[in-house]
Amino acid sequence: GAGVSQSPRYKVAKRGQDVALRCDPISGHVSLFWYQQALGQGPEFLTYFQNEAQLDKSGLPSDRFFAERPEGSVSTLKIQRTQQEDSAVYLCASNRMSWDRGPIMNTEAFFGQGTRLTVV
Amino acid sequence: AQSVSQHNHHVILSEAASLELGCNYSYGGTVNLFWYVQYPGQHLQLLLKYFSGDPLVKGIKGFEAEFIKSKFSFNLRKPSVQWSDTAEYFCAVNAREGRRALTFGSGTRLQVQP
Repeated sequence: GAGVSQSPRYKVAKRGQDVALRCDPISGHVSLFWYQQALGQGPEFLTYFQNEAQLDKSGLPSDRFFAERPEGSVSTLKIQRTQQEDSAVYLCASNRMSWDRGPIMNTEAFFGQGTRLTVV
Repeated sequence: AQSVSQHNHHVILSEAASLELGCNYSYGGTVNLFWYVQYPGQHLQLLLKYFSGDPLVKGIKGFEAEFIKSKFSFNLRKPSVQWSDTAEYFCAVNAREGRRALTFGSGTRLQVQP
C-alpha cells in the first residue's frame, strides 16, 4: 500500500481483557518498529523486527506485551490482561532498510496513524 | 543510551511570526537527526532529516534546521509561520550504527493564531 496502515484506529478494552493491534507496513520494507505514545509524551520504542526476526524487544514494558511478524510483513502487537497504564497510542513504523546496514544506508521511517487504546 | 530534550512544551505565535523550536540530544556516538510533525488527527510525518554533510538542512513547507555538533543541538526554524503550521513537533535521533530505533523528545505543541 501507499503508507503504513494500522487497525483498529480506536480500541476500548475492559481491564483484564486481551487486545491485538495490527500493522501493515509499506510493501517491501524490511524493518518494522512498534512505539508507545502516552498522552503528552513522545513515542517510546517497544520492539523491532527485521523481516520476521524480532531483534530487539528491550522496550516492551512487561511480559504481557508480545509482538510477532511471522511472514515478514504484517505485524501484530498483543497485550494480555490489559491494565489502565496500557492506555496509549500504539504506533507502527516501517523502514526499507535493516538496521545492521552500514552508515551509508541511513533511511527514514514512515509511521502509521496509530491505534488509540483506552483501558477502562 | 540516547535522550532528547525539547525545552518548549507549548508555543503560541501569531501568523507571520518567526519560529524556533529547541532540541538537544545526548549520545556518545554519531547520530541521525529528525524533525517529525503531527497535524491534528494525522500520523507523524517527516519534516526534515540530517544524516551528514551540510549542517543546515531544509525540509518541507519552508522549515529548516541546523545541526550544531558542539552544542548537541538541532533546532527547528521557520521565518514566517502560518495558521496551517499548528501541530505538534517532535525531534528525534537514532544511532548511525547499530540499534536504529528512534528516540523522541516529548514534543512541542505549536499553536498559530490567525
